Amino acid sequence: DIQMTQSPASLSASVGDRVTITCRASQSIGSRLSWYQVKAGKVPKLLTYGASNLEGGVPSRFRGSGFGTDFTLTISSLQPDDFATYYCQQSYNFPRTFGHGTKVEVK
Amino acid sequence: QEQLVQSGAEVQRPGASVKVSCKASGYRFTAYYIHWVRQAPGQGLEWMGLINPGRGGSDIAQKFQGRVTLTRDTSISTTYLEVKRLRSDDTALYYCVREYHYEGDEYAFDMWGRGTMVAVSS
Repeated sequence: DIQMTQSPASLSASVGDRVTITCRASQSIGSRLSWYQVKAGKVPKLLTYGASNLEGGVPSRFRGSGFGTDFTLTISSLQPDDFATYYCQQSYNFPRTFGHGTKVEVK
Repeated sequence: QEQLVQSGAEVQRPGASVKVSCKASGYRFTAYYIHWVRQAPGQGLEWMGLINPGRGGSDIAQKFQGRVTLTRDTSISTTYLEVKRLRSDDTALYYCVREYHYEGDEYAFDMWGRGTMVAVSS
């Protein structure tokens, strides 16, 4: 199975901050990487797919990048609605695997 | 409107079984795989398996093999997750999820059901 390692596990930030979350795959997955936002009581939301493609309706402050084993999700200017937990997930093969999540908290 | 509608919350005893349904609407049911993902309280997202609604074939995560079965009924555009021999650590929110196939041969979980809470308690 492909292991997905996210860092940091949590971070504290303020509205307006630039936030970067990293995800490393245990083997090369090309561009087969998606990012999701999860909030308590809400359905998980797809942010980006194919490493860098923004899902329709997702604000442009979210940007995914990377290829192979190393990927990042950047939020260019953190908004109040962005405090949540973020997960990466590989779709290179089965089983599909997720990172352990990065919780973005209010500083 | 494309959506996945899941069955309601369940409370089960340890050792019992549970069957959760997921009804698709607004798109061609057989066009996309349906996956099941769970989230235990305070934990992360865990992939359980997938079913091909068209052919009916499934792939179950090794951790759940022998206890989890995925089926579908194409006549009502519904997939089912059955978990047998429930344990307390199966207490979780269970999601059905559509995996969309984008141009460029990319895949992602673009549509999620609202989740079905399964509580296992004696």
